[in-house]
Amino acid sequence: GENVEQHPSTLSVQEGDSAVIKCTYSDSASNYFPWYKQELGKGPQLIIDIRSNVGEKKDQRIAVTLNKTAKHFSLHITETQPEDSAVYFCALRGTSGTYKYIFGTGTRLKVLA
Amino acid sequence: NAGVTQTPKFRILKIGQSMTLQCAQDMNHNYMYWYRQDPGMGLKLIYYSVGAGITDKGEVPNGYNVSRSTTEDFPLRLELAAPSQTSVYFCASSNPGQEGYTFGSGTRLTVV
Repeated sequence: GENVEQHPSTLSVQEGDSAVIKCTYSDSASNYFPWYKQELGKGPQLIIDIRSNVGEKKDQRIAVTLNKTAKHFSLHITETQPEDSAVYFCALRGTSGTYKYIFGTGTRLKVLA
Repeated sequence: NAGVTQTPKFRILKIGQSMTLQCAQDMNHNYMYWYRQDPGMGLKLIYYSVGAGITDKGEVPNGYNVSRSTTEDFPLRLELAAPSQTSVYFCASSNPGQEGYTFGSGTRLTVV
């Protein structure tokens, strides 16, 4: 079945540095890959997504890249700020047609001021 | 427009008790989902619904039940609570043809 592995589980960076989180998946039919940010005490919030017909997508300081051949996708955050500190989840849409998502195990990002 | 509203935010249950976690959305979304979040384990799908009157099991349905009598509401029922059900529960909704879930703010449940 569908599976997604997320690394690292924790990541500390200095303010202003870049952060990269990577997810690998097993089902080559997966075609939609969202990233969610979860702040303390809140539900996850969609921050960026990418479809399988696109290799890269950027939105200001965040970007997502997709390598379909290698079956991995990554979240890139540049010029990190303290408010970027949160737990980030990758996900992919299952291929069952009901818009069920499979989530990664999460990365706790800490941006050190 | 409140989005997805979950109640209660916190609850402590004794082993064997039962309770219902409430979830309501005002976006007229057809699809609704219940996930549980355990430390280091990500989000696991418990149950989902593609419309009123239709529900189906996810990855971890044992010990839970759901109903979907209206488009807006998707309550999650715990019968005979067990310590293994200590978790944070998230409800989410989405619409076919639109990407991305809208999540509620979660219910933190502790079973002692």
